[in-house]
Amino acid sequence: DTAVSQTPKYLVTQMGNDKSIKCEQNLGHDTMYWYKQDSKKFLKIMFSYNNKELIINETVPNRFSPKSPDKAHLNLHINSLELGDSAVYFCASSLRRTANEKLFFGSGTQLSVL
Amino acid sequence: GENVEQHPSTLSVQEGDSAVIKCTYSDSASNYFPWYKQELGKGPQLIIDIRSNVGEKKDQRIAVTLNKTAKHFSLHITETQPEDSAVYFCAASIGSGYSTLTFGKGTMLLVSP
Repeated sequence: DTAVSQTPKYLVTQMGNDKSIKCEQNLGHDTMYWYKQDSKKFLKIMFSYNNKELIINETVPNRFSPKSPDKAHLNLHINSLELGDSAVYFCASSLRRTANEKLFFGSGTQLSVL
Repeated sequence: GENVEQHPSTLSVQEGDSAVIKCTYSDSASNYFPWYKQELGKGPQLIIDIRSNVGEKKDQRIAVTLNKTAKHFSLHITETQPEDSAVYFCAASIGSGYSTLTFGKGTMLLVSP
């Protein structure tokens, strides 16, 4: 069983479209995250949720809207996609919200905006 | 906020050689320093971490050292194997409250047979 699973793995879309990425973890963790990895492999946190509550929002454009229906799921919706949104998006989870917890990453969603 | 510098950006070694990746951090309050390995097409995976009350930690062929005075820490891989080829990320955090991990920019390690 995959611990952190995200879908889809690949997403190719036109500029201006709206798309969603889904993430689920079966580890019983309290905290989930979205990270963005750019073409140079730089990993940057976007959002963090703890027990469905948003705790970190790292100056991400408001076209990005995370939603956590329960603590095992964290979805990412992106409106009006732009070329610069092309990247690999990783979902992750940790047992608790403190930053010294091990992060478990999903396998990523490669988003290509044409 | 925290800034983590990582060097080198790419590292090529022959199988059996040792590899060393170095990171520096800026926030003296940081006390947690993990290393993640990212294989092609996969998400990063924690391979080893060290906390500021420890100077060195080993796990089989990998070791991490920490110099708090100089604010740098390093990953050492001995007897490298082709399956060690991956991108390695160092990170640092204060490790409490709402603080987050700050990642270095990654090192692509290539181990040639």
